[in-house]
Amino acid sequence: QSVLTQPPSASGTPGQRVTISCSGSSSNIGSNVVNWYQHLPGTAPKLLIYSNNERPSGVPDRFSGSKSGASASLAISGLRSEDEADYFCAAWDDSLNGPVFGGGTKLTVL
Amino acid sequence: QVQLQESGPGLVKPSQTLSLTCTVSGGSIRRADYYWTWIRQPPGKGLEWIGNIYSSGSTYYNPSLRGRISISVDTSKSQFSLKLSSVTAADTAVYYCANFFGVVIQYWGQGILVTVSS
Repeated sequence: QSVLTQPPSASGTPGQRVTISCSGSSSNIGSNVVNWYQHLPGTAPKLLIYSNNERPSGVPDRFSGSKSGASASLAISGLRSEDEADYFCAAWDDSLNGPVFGGGTKLTVL
Repeated sequence: QVQLQESGPGLVKPSQTLSLTCTVSGGSIRRADYYWTWIRQPPGKGLEWIGNIYSSGSTYYNPSLRGRISISVDTSKSQFSLKLSSVTAADTAVYYCANFFGVVIQYWGQGILVTVSS
């Protein structure tokens, strides 16, 4: 059971916009920034969004993040087949004094 | 950019010590604004933070694993290591090394599957 809650799956057709939610508590998302990662099995997870809504260099602006209270969302617009991957959220937890993670959402591009 | 690569045995016997090494390239392991971390993911379960080591050499471990963990750094080899003692089947997982920049896990290794079995 992951500390941050994500839906296990999401799907969309090419060109569509999909959102993935991440729910936490006051000790993590409620008081710290949220980061999002894209993960293809067998490869290193890739930082997609940091500090709630910032994109590292090289990440397309089709990817965006938002946070409100103890919840956050990742939005992917103009969906492409290469976006098919697992996506997970992470945030620092003040009680643990370490990071906590979402269980991951498997995105399928239909 | 920083690259990390985990290495170590893929099979460990119960009650023994799991030992993994992470080799860092593309950036200095001595960089003061980075710190280094181990994270694991048991099969079918979520990610679990194991512990951190800072450039000062100080460490901080997940309380659920404290007492069994040791994380160390060898700056001369640009490596940091994890030792987890008294392993059981519950320690079977993909183990990742990564770096923190502030509160952001910036770069990850690709992970290494470690199975605990006799």
